[in-house]
Amino acid sequence: NAGVTQTPKFQVLKTGQSMTLQCAQDMNHNSMYWYRQDPGMGLRLIYYSASEGTTDKGEVPNGYNVSRLNKREFSLRLESAAPSQTSVYFCASSEFEPQHFGDGTRLSIL
Amino acid sequence: SQQGEEDPQALSIQEGENATMNCSYKTSINNLQWYRQNSGRGLVHLILIRSNEREKHSGRLRVTLDTSKKSSSLLITASRAADTASYFCATDAVGGAQKLVFGQGTRLTINP
Repeated sequence: NAGVTQTPKFQVLKTGQSMTLQCAQDMNHNSMYWYRQDPGMGLRLIYYSASEGTTDKGEVPNGYNVSRLNKREFSLRLESAAPSQTSVYFCASSEFEPQHFGDGTRLSIL
Repeated sequence: SQQGEEDPQALSIQEGENATMNCSYKTSINNLQWYRQNSGRGLVHLILIRSNEREKHSGRLRVTLDTSKKSSSLLITASRAADTASYFCATDAVGGAQKLVFGQGTRLTINP
């Protein structure tokens, strides 16, 4: 029972580099989400996808793009990484409630 | 801006004691959920309470919801060392399309 799988688990980038974070779920959920978690804070929604073929902005979308590749996969892309994007990124999926989370990608931008 | 505010930010108690965490929010909600996060891991769903419910139990967890005060509390009874984690409330606002808004969390430490 894999649930939500995120890759990679850790990554260090230089300012200006690009990167795609991958997320896949095996629960046949329609909705998928990307969050970021900064120290001492709760999760903030970056983008979400209510169903295959649709995406919408969350609370903090600037500097990010997403692709809902198919029902299973939802990727997050940083086109030009900035130090302010240093964070832990979580992907989640759901079919109504609750949301199921991956273990996160820890991303550092130098 | 985040909708949920949690109190206290950190709580340290002895094993066997009860732990209470509080959450306040700002807008009308469909439901309120509590999640646990162990260090270095993703969030795990604990319990969901709908806006028309006032209290809900699950094992050693008791959640209350007061929509007139826009607040909720999570009580963990007979705490164990394994309960050490961060606990987050998350609200699903009316018209929010299941987009959860998380509080800042309470860091709970259970001392043996």
